[in-house]
Amino acid sequence: AQKVTQAQTEISVVEKEDVTLDCVYETRDTTYYLFWYKQPPSGELVFLIRRNSFDEQNEISGRYSWNFQKSTSSFNFTITASQVVDSAVYFCALNQGTYKYIFGTGTRLKVLA
Amino acid sequence: ETGVTQTPRHLVMGMTNKKSLKCEQHLGHNAMYWYKQSAKKPLELMFVYSLEERVENNSVPSRFSPECPNSSHLFLHLHTLQPEDSALYLCASSQVGWVSTEAFFGQGTRLTVV
Repeated sequence: AQKVTQAQTEISVVEKEDVTLDCVYETRDTTYYLFWYKQPPSGELVFLIRRNSFDEQNEISGRYSWNFQKSTSSFNFTITASQVVDSAVYFCALNQGTYKYIFGTGTRLKVLA
Repeated sequence: ETGVTQTPRHLVMGMTNKKSLKCEQHLGHNAMYWYKQSAKKPLELMFVYSLEERVENNSVPSRFSPECPNSSHLFLHLHTLQPEDSALYLCASSQVGWVSTEAFFGQGTRLTVV
């Protein structure tokens, strides 16, 4: 069975703090893809990153970084020096090369000024 | 225009009305999706069209009727809805093939059924 778990329902931090959003996935396939999306209050899910199962390199993009660890089936997302504009719901998703995307339940991040 | 465009952005309809949601993608993708997002619930996949054929229909009530006339357009026809159908309806598209790509989403239609 395929599953994505985002155990953190809501996180509140003060601006400039670092915050890590957890994502744990389950799949039996050896080839799969993991994604992170941001959903601001406007509603649109904004694509942030895609990682395939053969590439365990961590990625950094500005204040965003992602830690992919196959050994623990985790794909965690860290925001460094958080800003109020980072307030949103963040979704982790799994895809096995088909049209099926398995989404987690999302983590609501509130960054307080 | 770029990306995925949904219209209308907001819709209020009575339970006896008939309305349609429209989605258009300008990305050349071969798959399109309708998702429902209710308050405090996970994203629910409703329908998937791949190469204009419906490939997924997740036990969605018949009061929701999708239509995919071509690879760029997707509609969701609504009739005799219930108040519990009030939600954010998101359209998405992706390219399905040898490599999975990310799905791109529209801004959604906020539907309120009164």
